Amino acid sequence: DIQVTQSPSTLSASVGDTVTITCRTSENINNWLAWYQQKPGKAPKVLIYQASTLEFGVPSRFSGSGSGTEFTLTISSLQPDDFATYYCQQYNHYSRTFGQGTKVEVK
Amino acid sequence: VQLQESGPGRVKPSETLTLICTVSDYSITTGYYWGWLRQSPEKGLEWIGSVYHTGMTSYKKSLKSRVTISVDTSTNRFSLKLTSVSAADTGVYYCARDRFGSGSFDPWGQGILVTVSS
Repeated sequence: DIQVTQSPSTLSASVGDTVTITCRTSENINNWLAWYQQKPGKAPKVLIYQASTLEFGVPSRFSGSGSGTEFTLTISSLQPDDFATYYCQQYNHYSRTFGQGTKVEVK
Repeated sequence: VQLQESGPGRVKPSETLTLICTVSDYSITTGYYWGWLRQSPEKGLEWIGSVYHTGMTSYKKSLKSRVTISVDTSTNRFSLKLTSVSAADTGVYYCARDRFGSGSFDPWGQGILVTVSS
């Protein structure tokens, strides 16, 4: 399976900050990467798919970029509702693997 | 579209785990795959496998020998069977719509906690 390495594992930030989370894959996956937000006790919710396409209804302060093996999720002007755990997920040859997660916590 | 998992909250080691996902407000035959995933502190989020309404399946390689996912279009449900379970299979199990064309899962069910314990 393709390995996915997500960093950092924890990120401390304040409301209004811009934060960036990175995912690296062990093989070229073109743009087959999605980002999810998960809050405690809830299922993950997709934010971005195909590396940079914003899911309908997701605020535009979320953005994704990258292709090949390196990808980033950027949250501009962090809002109180954004403190959560974020995961990336790759899709290649009908294999799906997730990153280990990044918890965005209050500084 | 809404998804809801159902099944036992506890399964004994070496037995078979069976879960059902009921899909509401959307026909399961409408052009998507339907998937099972799980989450545990030890393994994180893990895709288990997916099924198309025709019965075509795809499974995670390391679980393939123990997993069967099937679909029942008459009841708009799909199911997961995982054989020979161990403590390592403990976790929250989710069903989700598998958007094959974009490689992402949405929406997800609320999840069901399954504990493997005697």
